[in-house]
Amino acid sequence: GQQVMQIPQYQHVQEGEDFTTYCNSSTTLSNIQWYKQRPGGHPVFLIQLVKSGEVKKQKRLTFQFGEAKKNSSLHITATQTTDVGTYFCAGDKGGSEKLVFGKGTKLTVNP
Amino acid sequence: GAVVSQHPSWVICKSGTSVKIECRSLDFQATTMFWYRQFPKQSLMLMATSNEGSKATYEQGVEKDKFLINHASLTLSTLTVTSAHPEDSSFYICSASVWALSTDTQYFGPGTRLTVL
Repeated sequence: GQQVMQIPQYQHVQEGEDFTTYCNSSTTLSNIQWYKQRPGGHPVFLIQLVKSGEVKKQKRLTFQFGEAKKNSSLHITATQTTDVGTYFCAGDKGGSEKLVFGKGTKLTVNP
Repeated sequence: GAVVSQHPSWVICKSGTSVKIECRSLDFQATTMFWYRQFPKQSLMLMATSNEGSKATYEQGVEKDKFLINHASLTLSTLTVTSAHPEDSSFYICSASVWALSTDTQYFGPGTRLTVL
């Protein structure tokens, strides 16, 4: 079945450093979504990427969707303590297929 | 790793009937379980947060009398869609959370696709 691998599982950075999490699917995706879960909270939708090679930015966050629509990345520039949380990617194969989540990357930021 | 199962994985029902969806944490005890719904091509929307032995907390706009949640044990939560209508057709996904060392990790179930005719 479809699998979505996400790495790294954990990432600890100093405040101000950059951070990147990568997501890879075993199959071509219709779209990919990214979620952030703050400690003690629930996943919150961040963005959806649909087009091959698409790049979207949200302030310090940059999201990319690979040309083959099988991989994606989330890059945070100059991390802040407010960026702490777990970032999940979720792949949508389209049609009636269910959304497949990656296991998430837990980011901690040292002030 | 922790595994969360949902049953059924898909269901088709007639309008006006009720449907129960089960969410189980298979190899761990979940402090909290979340229920989400997702319409095609849209983001996951949190419906309610469920803690074992207490009433679920519903998000704004979610009818608690229509979406009944029972969290009878640390490994089982159920969502019952009562008097289902076609507009309730959606993908319902649960997740289970466990607190350990002052942090929580959330594990998602595979989801249940509900189609109401």
